[in-house]
Amino acid sequence: SQKIEQNSEALNIQEGKTATLTCNYTNYSPAYLQWYRQDPGRGPVFLLLIRENEKEKRKERLKVTFDTTLKQSLFHITASQPADSATYLCALDMQRDDKIIFGKGTRLHILP
Amino acid sequence: GAGVSQSPSNKVTEKGKDVELRCDPISGHTALYWYRQSLGQGLEFLIYFQGNSAPDKSGLPSDRFSAERTGGSVSTLTIQRTQQEDSAVYLCASSLDTGRGSGYTFGSGTRLTVV
Repeated sequence: SQKIEQNSEALNIQEGKTATLTCNYTNYSPAYLQWYRQDPGRGPVFLLLIRENEKEKRKERLKVTFDTTLKQSLFHITASQPADSATYLCALDMQRDDKIIFGKGTRLHILP
Repeated sequence: GAGVSQSPSNKVTEKGKDVELRCDPISGHTALYWYRQSLGQGLEFLIYFQGNSAPDKSGLPSDRFSAERTGGSVSTLTIQRTQQEDSAVYLCASSLDTGRGSGYTFGSGTRLTVV
């Protein structure tokens, strides 16, 4: 069956350290992979998109990797801050039907 | 507008009643999506509009759910004869074309509670 797996347990990281979140998928072949941030009571906010032929993408303190062999994406936040605390969602775009499929997200807590 | 606007922000309705949820996308965005998010669950795709093409309704959970998009702009999601399992946050998003350049822009959602 098709699955998108993100760590369901909350991730606690000390301020200043690098937070790494994982997105694994099964029986999908995404052409693109997106990461979103969601705060309580708000809709998700788009952060980064990476294409299947890209290994890595950076934006300020954010870095995303995409390994189509392992069927995995890693999302890194360097020099983490308490304001980075939120739920982070990965989303797969198979390209064939122009809609994206979301994982359930991982809650991240940056501890001051 | 500056962002995607959804109304109402909260809706409590009695089981069996019909509800209408409204989404006002970003001006110029051709694509509009409806998702719903239940407590502790991921976002579940419902329906997708792209320009003047026929909508992709493949995610609608039952024939009690329908949506329309008038004039390529505002969209309304209608749920008839609401059930308790319809309780969720209904999120609307819009994007330029397919959203592959700049992702989707989401509204803050409508929290629907069926009692």
